[in-house]
Amino acid sequence: RKEVEQDPGPFNVPEGATVAFNCTYSNSASQSFFWYRQDCRKEPKLLMSVYSSGNEDGRFTAQLNRASQYISLLIRDSKLSDSATYLCVVTSGTYKYIFGTGTRLKVLA
Amino acid sequence: DAGVTQSPTHLIKTRGQQVTLRCSPKSGHDTVSWYQQALGQGPQFIFQYYEEEERQRGNFPDRFSGHQFPNYSSELNVNALLLGDSALYLCASSFDQGQPQHFGDGTRLSIL
Repeated sequence: RKEVEQDPGPFNVPEGATVAFNCTYSNSASQSFFWYRQDCRKEPKLLMSVYSSGNEDGRFTAQLNRASQYISLLIRDSKLSDSATYLCVVTSGTYKYIFGTGTRLKVLA
Repeated sequence: DAGVTQSPTHLIKTRGQQVTLRCSPKSGHDTVSWYQQALGQGPQFIFQYYEEEERQRGNFPDRFSGHQFPNYSSELNVNALLLGDSALYLCASSFDQGQPQHFGDGTRLSIL
């Protein structure tokens, strides 16, 4: 079993739609969780940290479920510019980032 | 405020050669991590440097080595290059444990 698993997609959604991604992780001792966004042939960019209580940043909402060992990302009112690959990141130990393979999102006009 | 900078941007090598990639962390950051990203995959952790020492290492062979300098910049060295080493190599920096890492643009390495 992979340490961090994501549905690779692609998710093709119309503009204005709401879309949700899940990411599961295997190490129950993981401490920190993040979502990164990566555009084609570019570097990953931090989208948001994920906190136990859940957190929101504009149209983006992240949730953490420690009992079931998954994190989620919800995007409301999708824009064309949201088209990218979304990478789930879980820390292993204190220092090591474990990335999922990423979920591709394509927002259609 | 400069972000994470990497050099070179692109590199072409042949099998068996050696390569050195360079990274300058974001201002104020003292920790540097290196990742390898193959096409269609998420970045894979190679190792992390803090206070000029390798603090943690991923599942990469000894052909991959690194260094961190007193000014926190870092190098990634790969010896005896294989075709499978072709990838995007990403450097990321951070300030504290558990804090988000910030990535450079990467070095795209092609092995012929």
